[in-house]
Amino acid sequence: DVKVTQSSRYLVKRTGEKVFLECVQDMDHENMFWYRQDPGLGLRLIYFSYDVKMKEKGDIPEGYSVSREKKERFSLILESASTNQTSMYLCASSWNRVYEQYFGPGTRLTVT
Amino acid sequence: EDKVVQSPLSLVVHEGDTVTLNCSYEVTNFRSLLWYKQEKKAPTFLFMLTSSGIEKKSGRLSSILDKKELFSILNITATQTGDSAIYLCASNSGYALNFGKGTSLLVTP
Repeated sequence: DVKVTQSSRYLVKRTGEKVFLECVQDMDHENMFWYRQDPGLGLRLIYFSYDVKMKEKGDIPEGYSVSREKKERFSLILESASTNQTSMYLCASSWNRVYEQYFGPGTRLTVT
Repeated sequence: EDKVVQSPLSLVVHEGDTVTLNCSYEVTNFRSLLWYKQEKKAPTFLFMLTSSGIEKKSGRLSSILDKKELFSILNITATQTGDSAIYLCASNSGYALNFGKGTSLLVTP
């Protein structure tokens, strides 16, 4: 079974802090993705990566950056957290771009 | 701009009922249509559809795609309270998944 894990289930940070969200997959998948999910807005793509050290912007990249130094690990970075970044963050991975994505358990981030 | 629209947005049924969830899409370079189930955690994969008219089935759940009319349906027969969840539809254009806002299904005893 595919396993995607995220470093924290719940996180509370203060405005202006730098925040790291980590995601690890164990299936040697090429592609990894970061989404945020908000009520009424659904899942929106922040960034994705189709190979180590490669990244592409999704629909809402502003205020975020990513890092992929190893194939199994994809990190989302909030350089200076703001209250409008309070959300559920979901990581996903897939074998390639046309195959189904498998999701991690999510990190519920609250920025106060 | 690619668009995925799900209907209804929410639905309440009694155990044993059959439900049909709808998903219409407008996608450039369409590759596939995916369905996910989300309870109080991450979405779990249900089906991926690539060809028109071929039904995918898993237990009481089934789904079909119409590439001419650009829609898909997800059917759940003999619903159970454990089917209560948000059902997400997503299109894949080979870039990334584009999700609809979901249908919230509540099955009452």
